[in-house]
Amino acid sequence: QQQVKQSPQSLIVQKGGISIINCAYENTAFDYFPWYQQFPGKGPALLIAIRPDVSEKKEGRFTISFNKSAKQFSLHIMDSQPGDSATYFCAAASRENNNDMRFGAGTRLTVKP
Amino acid sequence: DVKVTQSSRYLVKRTGEKVFLECVQDMDHENMFWYRQDPGLGLRLIYFSYDVKMKEKGDIPEGYSVSREKKERFSLILESASTNQTSMYLCASRGGGVGELFFGEGSRLTVL
Repeated sequence: QQQVKQSPQSLIVQKGGISIINCAYENTAFDYFPWYQQFPGKGPALLIAIRPDVSEKKEGRFTISFNKSAKQFSLHIMDSQPGDSATYFCAAASRENNNDMRFGAGTRLTVKP
Repeated sequence: DVKVTQSSRYLVKRTGEKVFLECVQDMDHENMFWYRQDPGLGLRLIYFSYDVKMKEKGDIPEGYSVSREKKERFSLILESASTNQTSMYLCASRGGGVGELFFGEGSRLTVL
């Protein structure tokens, strides 16, 4: 059973558009929510992360929105570029559970030129 | 530059063979992890280790074992490979506390 539910499974966006990927969780002990980006043939790499004491975090074109009461968080990619085409994973971890990371199923993003 | 190195990028094994997947990190991290990546299922935690000679089961440990004899090295062992273990295996490491996982490039295992 997946502890973190991610949608959509795949996403196609035109260059310059906004890409939005959503995640939901049940375990209220989760207190660290990262997003990882994976290019073909590579391992995932940390993109951006948020803790539940803030509702939004922005780094360049990438923004995490966090809704603690709804137990949801999302990744927004503004001005999407073909170089953003990759698989994106949301994840969650908790100090209570020794900070072990649990991942969503992944979203394959394709940005068309 | 920090690095997690997985010794084999591609392996093809036969059913019943014993398989070793090796992982080495150069960041002096206490924590090391093995994940399995399958389409539509994301990354699922197989085993992890917080210290030398220590190991903990993740969500899908059945059919796998691990070994951590040195801090920098974490091995995943398939005692008797089966076709349903055909997958991408990812090793990761992390320092103390919650924080970034550093991943290797993965080992793609095919069991025939």
